[in-house]
Amino acid sequence: SAVISQKPSRDICQRGTSLTIQCQVDSQVTMMFWYRQQPGQSLTLIATANQGSEATYESGFVIDKFPISRPNLTFSTLTVSNMSPEDSSIYLCSVSSSGNSDTQYFGPGTRLTVL
Amino acid sequence: DQQVKQNSPSLSVQEGRISILNCDYTNSMFDYFLWYKKYPAEGPTFLISISSIKDKNEDGRFTVFLNKSAKHLSLHIVPSQPGDSAVYFCAASGATNKLIFGTGTLLAVQP
Repeated sequence: SAVISQKPSRDICQRGTSLTIQCQVDSQVTMMFWYRQQPGQSLTLIATANQGSEATYESGFVIDKFPISRPNLTFSTLTVSNMSPEDSSIYLCSVSSSGNSDTQYFGPGTRLTVL
Repeated sequence: DQQVKQNSPSLSVQEGRISILNCDYTNSMFDYFLWYKKYPAEGPTFLISISSIKDKNEDGRFTVFLNKSAKHLSLHIVPSQPGDSAVYFCAASGATNKLIFGTGTLLAVQP
């Protein structure tokens, strides 16, 4: 499976600021995804990062709040904009290498705390 | 609407015994199911998966069973080891690549 890294691993941010999280994969992958895990809850898909085009967002998530880039097949960023304490979560990227219903492999996650 | 449910938030098992983690789903369009293990401060680690055309898949100590008529799957770990102590998530996907996760079960394997 691919080796996935995320930066930063954790951060503490002030309300109203923005944080950009990077996801780097050691090989080219077809699909990249961003998830959120709020405290005590399950993983929720934020969006699918599409290479060379706009991300596809799930219900309840919007581009203005969570802009995503995917400039190539090995890298993606997620920005959490205008943060509030409710954005305190673990943010995870995942990848899969084929198009349909395949296994996803996860990065180590970024633990974000918003004060 | 929780499409994937893990009704047991926690499970405690003695080392060497069998651990059985359960998962129920409501969407009959799901055709691929996965189990992940998650340690604190780490991302989920893929364990095992099963396609809807099968009813059993085995990989070492881990076996997943799928009962499509009951919309139920289970993960069996035999024998259980203290290092298996973690949160276990089941997940399901359908025609898209989107994974829908359950709420997780915290497994504690007692030495």
